[in-house]
Amino acid sequence: NAGVTQTPKFRILKIGQSMTLQCAQDMNHNYMYWYRQDPGMGLKLIYYSVGAGITDKGEVPNGYNVSRSTTEYFPLRLELAAPSQTSVYFCASRGAHRLDGGDEQFFGPGTRLTVL
Amino acid sequence: DQQVKQNSPSLSVQEGRISILNCDYTNSMFDYFLWYKKYPAEGPTFLISISSIKDKNEDGRFTVFLNKSAKHLSLHIVPSQPGDSAVYFCAAATITGAGSYQLTFGKGTKLSVIP
Repeated sequence: NAGVTQTPKFRILKIGQSMTLQCAQDMNHNYMYWYRQDPGMGLKLIYYSVGAGITDKGEVPNGYNVSRSTTEYFPLRLELAAPSQTSVYFCASRGAHRLDGGDEQFFGPGTRLTVL
Repeated sequence: DQQVKQNSPSLSVQEGRISILNCDYTNSMFDYFLWYKKYPAEGPTFLISISSIKDKNEDGRFTVFLNKSAKHLSLHIVPSQPGDSAVYFCAAATITGAGSYQLTFGKGTKLSVIP
């Protein structure tokens, strides 16, 4: 069972370049999330999706775009890369809400992005 | 303004002893709290959670305590094992109208268990 997969693992971009971070999950989860983690900091939510065709902004959405055309895939697009977007990006997914609140998000291994 | 704070960046504990990781929060509207563990070069993995209406939840060697009046929670690991060495993130969840929820993470505490 692959769980949540992310590609690429590492990437170096020049300022102004664009790229798409790929995320896929094989657990048929409706909810998917994109986070970034800066050095010494906690994870911050960029965008999330509650199902195919439905996305919404998180805490730090500026400079990013997302789409969700299928349940499995949730790509994150950087249009004009800036040094401030140097970070580790994590994709996560979650199943249906449980009444006991024990929901867990399943995280991918991350993409380490450097913008120079 | 950090809504979830982990004030200890690191903690060292002898193998077999208790590890206590602390977390403070400022928003009394959080619905529940979660702990995640993270090894280097991997994504976080879920460890244990607690609803805001409870004060304790236990799962094997891991117990989370919630003190709502103090807006404080703690994770106890007993006994600590070398494999527990990792960064531990405290997270707080609020449920959105769309049925999803948003997690707010602390900065993490790096636990080192010394054999």
